[in-house]
Amino acid sequence: GEDVEQSLFLSVREGDSSVINCTYTDSSSTYLYWYKQEPGAGLQLLTYIFSNMDMKQDQRLTVLLNKKDKHLSLRIADTQTGDSAIYFCAESWDSSNTGKLIFGQGTTLQVKP
Amino acid sequence: EAGVTQSPTHLIKTRGQQATLRCSPISGHTSVYWYQQALGLGLQFLLWYDEGEERNRGNFPPRFSGRQFPNYSSELNVNALELEDSALYLCASNLPGAGDTQYFGPGTRLTVL
Repeated sequence: GEDVEQSLFLSVREGDSSVINCTYTDSSSTYLYWYKQEPGAGLQLLTYIFSNMDMKQDQRLTVLLNKKDKHLSLRIADTQTGDSAIYFCAESWDSSNTGKLIFGQGTTLQVKP
Repeated sequence: EAGVTQSPTHLIKTRGQQATLRCSPISGHTSVYWYQQALGLGLQFLLWYDEGEERNRGNFPPRFSGRQFPNYSSELNVNALELEDSALYLCASNLPGAGDTQYFGPGTRLTVL
C-alpha cells in the first residue's frame, strides 16, 4: 500500500534541536525524501536518503532511517526562526514505473524566538 | 542553473471555465510531473510526462489533462472548472535513470470562484 504519515505540528525554541518523524508503508521504496515548504511557495528539496543507508548528515540536518520499523526522521540542529515551515516526508514508491512520490501530510514546524 | 519555472503565479477563474498552467523543467530534464496541493488533502500526484508521452496519471477525472512539448516544457489543462479544483498546482522535473529525485517549481495558485 501507499501511505506516509507524519505528525502535524511541532513547536521548538530557537537554538534547540527539532526532530520530525515519518512512517511509511512500502519497504521497497528506493529513496526517501525531506522537502521544505515555506508559506505560499513550492517544495524545496532538503535532503534524501537511499534505502540501503541508515543515516545521512548534511550540515545541520541529520536523517535517520529504520527500515525494520519503516521509520524516517529529520533532525535539525540549532533550529532557527528561518526554519519555520512545513516539512514533508516522501517516498519514491515504484517511481520508476509510476513516476509518483507519495507524500505525508506535512509537519508544521514553529520556531519560537 | 535555472530551476523549474511555472506560470502564471496566480490564476483566478470561474466555475465551468478552463485553466491552462505551464511548466518549464530544469535544463536537461526530460520528465515533468504535476501534483495538486489542495487544502486538507495534501499533495496528490496528477500526471507524469516523459519524452512527450503521458506515462502515468493519478486518480483524477479526464477533465485534467496535459501535454509535453518537444522542448520538454509542459502544460496542464483543467476543463469545466469546479470549486474544489482550487489548489496550488506544483510541477516537478527530473532526468529518469539519474535517480528518482524530483525538483519542484514554485507552483501556480488556482482559485475557482
